[in-house]
Amino acid sequence: QKEVEQDPGPLSVPEGAIVSLNCTYSNSAFQYFMWYRQYSRKGPELLMYTYSSGNKEDGRFTAQVDKSSKYISLFIRDSQPSDSATYLCAMRDNYGQNFVFGPGTRLSVLP
Amino acid sequence: KAGVTQTPRYLIKTRGQQVTLSCSPISGHRSVSWYQQTPGQGLQFLFEYFSETQRNKGNFPGRFSGRQFSNSRSEMNVSTLELGDSALYLCASSLAGEMYEKLFFGSGTQLSVL
Repeated sequence: QKEVEQDPGPLSVPEGAIVSLNCTYSNSAFQYFMWYRQYSRKGPELLMYTYSSGNKEDGRFTAQVDKSSKYISLFIRDSQPSDSATYLCAMRDNYGQNFVFGPGTRLSVLP
Repeated sequence: KAGVTQTPRYLIKTRGQQVTLSCSPISGHRSVSWYQQTPGQGLQFLFEYFSETQRNKGNFPGRFSGRQFSNSRSEMNVSTLELGDSALYLCASSLAGEMYEKLFFGSGTQLSVL
């Protein structure tokens, strides 16, 4: 079992839909969580970061962390075709070691 | 503020050759990490440098090496290339590589080994 699992997708939704992207992890030492968006042939772009359980909102994006269930989510409201990309979750343990990434979920938002 | 810059963007090499990739971090950032991204394995950590010292290393063979210069720029070297080394190599920088810092990526170098 990998340390970080992510719904592989691909996921296709109509424009304007609410998208839910999810990651589960096995290492309870993970304390810092990030979401990245990666367009084709580009490097990952940081979207959200959080280190506490609960919700964090930024515009159309909401990051949710449930440490007791070892589960994190990214919600995208009013999805746009420009949101079509691969979304990666990343996490880091409290020893400050390197980030561990999920395999990514490919999202397509159809006009 | 300029982002993380990686050169070259694309490289084509043949098996057995060696390659050097370059990364310039965001100005003021002193920690540089390297990752390999492939469709099958996703993003895998190679190593991290801080103040010219390798601080952390992933599970890759010794053919993969790196270094960091006094201006925080970093290079990654792969010797005796294998077909399986074909991947997108990503460099990321952060201020000091500490726990709750944000990690910023460059656009990567796409390496193809023939």
